[in-house]
Amino acid sequence: QVQLVQSGAEVKKPGASVKVSCKASGYTFTGYYMHWVRQAPGQGLEWMGRINPNSGGTNYAQKFQGRVTMTRDTSISTAYMELSRLRSDDTAVYYCARDVMVGATRGFDYWGQGTLVTVSS
Amino acid sequence: SYELTQPLSVSVALGQTARITCGGNNIGSKNVHWYQQKPGQAPVLVIYRDSNRPSGIPERFSGSNSGNTATLTISRAQAGDEADYYCQVWDSSTAVFGGGTKLTVL
Repeated sequence: QVQLVQSGAEVKKPGASVKVSCKASGYTFTGYYMHWVRQAPGQGLEWMGRINPNSGGTNYAQKFQGRVTMTRDTSISTAYMELSRLRSDDTAVYYCARDVMVGATRGFDYWGQGTLVTVSS
Repeated sequence: SYELTQPLSVSVALGQTARITCGGNNIGSKNVHWYQQKPGQAPVLVIYRDSNRPSGIPERFSGSNSGNTATLTISRAQAGDEADYYCQVWDSSTAVFGGGTKLTVL
């Protein structure tokens, strides 16, 4: 069965960086985009960007350009999202989610369990 | 940038039909996906490409999309349907979410 398992909660100081991992299993890792979506406390969903695990190519939301880096390690079917220069308003739950790469989008059909990142001095 | 507008809240009596709208400029020309999110849980895809149900989603969930409004319809609403619902589209290689609608089952 498809599973996306994320790394554990993090507490960071303002200005620091955080790197969240998302380990995929139960499907061909290189066959699906991996997206990152965040949700601040009590707020809605916000798309951050995606990575093509096959090529490593990325697309980032304009809001996060210059602060976010998405990478992957195909040998262990794991995607990573690193956010730098953290601010208090980056406090959120960060999710990974997959979508097909071939054919029309089918939505984000599987999601990780979420990783809480708290930014506090 | 493209914007999606959802009502903050919708209420429905147990066993009745709930309709949650998602407004956007010419949204009928886009593929709309819908997600259900219960407190403390990750979102779950309930409708993809306007009206398709993923495996395991009850037939009570349906969707439509035309003009400037997409609609998620939940028939025979159950207590377990109480959740936040989000619509989502792609615009200029960017995923856009609506602000979310809290569904209350009375």
